[in-house]
Amino acid sequence: QVQLVESGGGLVRPGGSLRLSCAASGFTLSDYYMNWIRQAPGKGLEWVSYISISGTTISYADSVKGRFTISRDNAENSLYLQMNSLRAEDTAVYYCARDLTVSGSPTIDYWGQGTLVTVSS
Amino acid sequence: QSALPQPASVSGSPGQSITISCTGTSSDVGSYNLVSWYQQHPNKAPKLVIFEVTKRPSGVSNRFSGSKSGNTASLTISGLQAEDEADYYCCSYATTYYVFGTGTKVTVL
Repeated sequence: QVQLVESGGGLVRPGGSLRLSCAASGFTLSDYYMNWIRQAPGKGLEWVSYISISGTTISYADSVKGRFTISRDNAENSLYLQMNSLRAEDTAVYYCARDLTVSGSPTIDYWGQGTLVTVSS
Repeated sequence: QSALPQPASVSGSPGQSITISCTGTSSDVGSYNLVSWYQQHPNKAPKLVIFEVTKRPSGVSNRFSGSKSGNTASLTISGLQAEDEADYYCCSYATTYYVFGTGTKVTVL
């Protein structure tokens, strides 16, 4: 079955960096667009970024543009999110999620369980 | 990229029907039949319950249904059950990004 497992979260000081990873199994990563979505404690969902199959099409939320970088390694079945210049407001659970855009229907279907990023001094 | 307004909370008794609204704009909900809805239980990952406005993924109860009129999408849960108590989020595609709703807490009385 489809499985997405995020890792790399933790406590980081403001201005610091962190790299999140997402390991995919149960499907072929190279057949799908992928997303990162976050949820601050007790708050709603916020889309962060998506990346096309080849990595040539990438989009970011205004709130992270210029600070975060999404990437993927299809051979390793992995998705990444490099987060720089972290701020307190970036504190959230970060989910990686599969996207059905390639089928002609942009929809986020499966989600991982998330990894918590805490930005605090 | 502002969140789509949803009612903060909706409640109903077992067996009743409830409807959650999601108000978008002509740039997102109104432009695409690409509205999806997610159910999220506490400390769990969101689960897709409706996609493309009206479609249900395999395995999702037919008590869940979706609709859209203009810039507003809606999710209806009929025959409310205790297990439906959760947070619900709408989501719309908007060309270069996705935008989520503010979320609605559904309480089964």
